[in-house]
Amino acid sequence: AQSVTQLGSHVSVSEGALVLLRCNYSSSVPPYLFWYVQYPNQGLQLLLKYTSAATLVKGINGFEAEFKKSETSFHLTKPSAHMSDAAEYFCAVSAGGTSYGKLTFGQGTILTVHP
Amino acid sequence: NAGVTQTPKFQVLKTGQSMTLQCAQDMNHEYMSWYRQDPGMGLRLIHYSVGAGITDQGEVPNGYNVSRSTTEDFPLRLLSAAPSQTSVYFCASSDRSRGNYGYTFGSGTRLTVV
Repeated sequence: AQSVTQLGSHVSVSEGALVLLRCNYSSSVPPYLFWYVQYPNQGLQLLLKYTSAATLVKGINGFEAEFKKSETSFHLTKPSAHMSDAAEYFCAVSAGGTSYGKLTFGQGTILTVHP
Repeated sequence: NAGVTQTPKFQVLKTGQSMTLQCAQDMNHEYMSWYRQDPGMGLRLIHYSVGAGITDQGEVPNGYNVSRSTTEDFPLRLLSAAPSQTSVYFCASSDRSRGNYGYTFGSGTRLTVV
């Protein structure tokens, strides 16, 4: 079984400040990990993914995440927040093998960016 | 454009009615899945498929049926709609061939059951 916990359902930052969205996972097998962003009334857009290659993963819009096996974490960061980053962010995990098609999501974190 | 197409985008049903949410992808992806999104709960897996003719249940399968007769299509059927099925439904497809471990999501169907 696999699960995802996103710490903080709401995160608020000032424009230009560091963005840190926390994600911890549990998986009985080496996981595939993903971060998605959802803007209001839209679908999910992939920000980045970890698939057992480099542990530091760079994504779109200046976001990156680091896979830390010892901490079972995959936190999302961005050095400088922009107003356009305001959205809901989801961390998700998938196992391999025949379970690859099953994504388990965290409950989401709403990011607010203040001017 | 290549991607996942969901229809309809919006639907209102009366309790007890049945309907089918359509999902089609043109990327020849082997994996397809259905999720429902409810406030504060993230997305939860309803059913998924690892290929034509093969389906399995996810976390919240009750009240929903699926079948996959072709690689491209993966419809979700609500047998007898209930207010608890009011939600936003997303279809996704994925493929890990050639090292491409990506999931592509449709734009969603917003369903209200009254």
